[in-house]
Amino acid sequence: AQSVTQLDSHVSVSEGTPVLLRCNYSSSYSPSLFWYVQHPNKGLQLLLKYTSAATLVKGINGFEAEFKKSETSFHLTKPSAHMSDAAEYFCVVSLYGSGNTGKLIFGQGTTLQVKP
Amino acid sequence: EPEVTQTPSHQVTQMGQEVILRCVPISNHLYFYWYRQILGQKVEFLVSFYNNEISEKSEIFDDQFSVERPDGSNFTLKIRSTKLEDSAMYFCASSYPGQGVEKLFFGSGTQLSVL
Repeated sequence: AQSVTQLDSHVSVSEGTPVLLRCNYSSSYSPSLFWYVQHPNKGLQLLLKYTSAATLVKGINGFEAEFKKSETSFHLTKPSAHMSDAAEYFCVVSLYGSGNTGKLIFGQGTTLQVKP
Repeated sequence: EPEVTQTPSHQVTQMGQEVILRCVPISNHLYFYWYRQILGQKVEFLVSFYNNEISEKSEIFDDQFSVERPDGSNFTLKIRSTKLEDSAMYFCASSYPGQGVEKLFFGSGTQLSVL
């Protein structure tokens, strides 16, 4: 069965320093993986996705993630945090590789705090 | 950028009452979803909907739940007789033909409180 585990429930960084949000997945086949972000009172927004193309995926707002099959990881990084990055981040795996009836399996979320 | 709109943002109801959560998906999207997040727990898939019928549903989506696209623009989730454990944030999502689950647009959610 597919699952994701976000290793940190809360991460705090200073503005201008790197961000690392960790995610490990479990899947019996090559998965599709996503990172979503949720700002307060906003919907879930897709940051980036991995769907078996390049293992290093670039997303919006300077975020990127690397798919490492050997480590079953899909960690989210950003070289320099901005105050506006403070939000809840979700690592997500798709139950199917692609398809319209597939469902998303969410991690428990990581709250990113950015200190001035 | 187009948005998925959910109303109301917060709904309070008494146990046993029926509630309808409303969503307006992005206008050219054809696939619709409901997810929910109980406080402190993961976001969970409830149901997907396409071509006026349910494509897939989770074990959570029992006979107390139903979905409908009544007028070609709204997408609703009805809970027939609410229980305390139905208290959660409910997210609606939609996607464009051919993109499916790989590019979902989510609404900002309806916080349902069952008293």
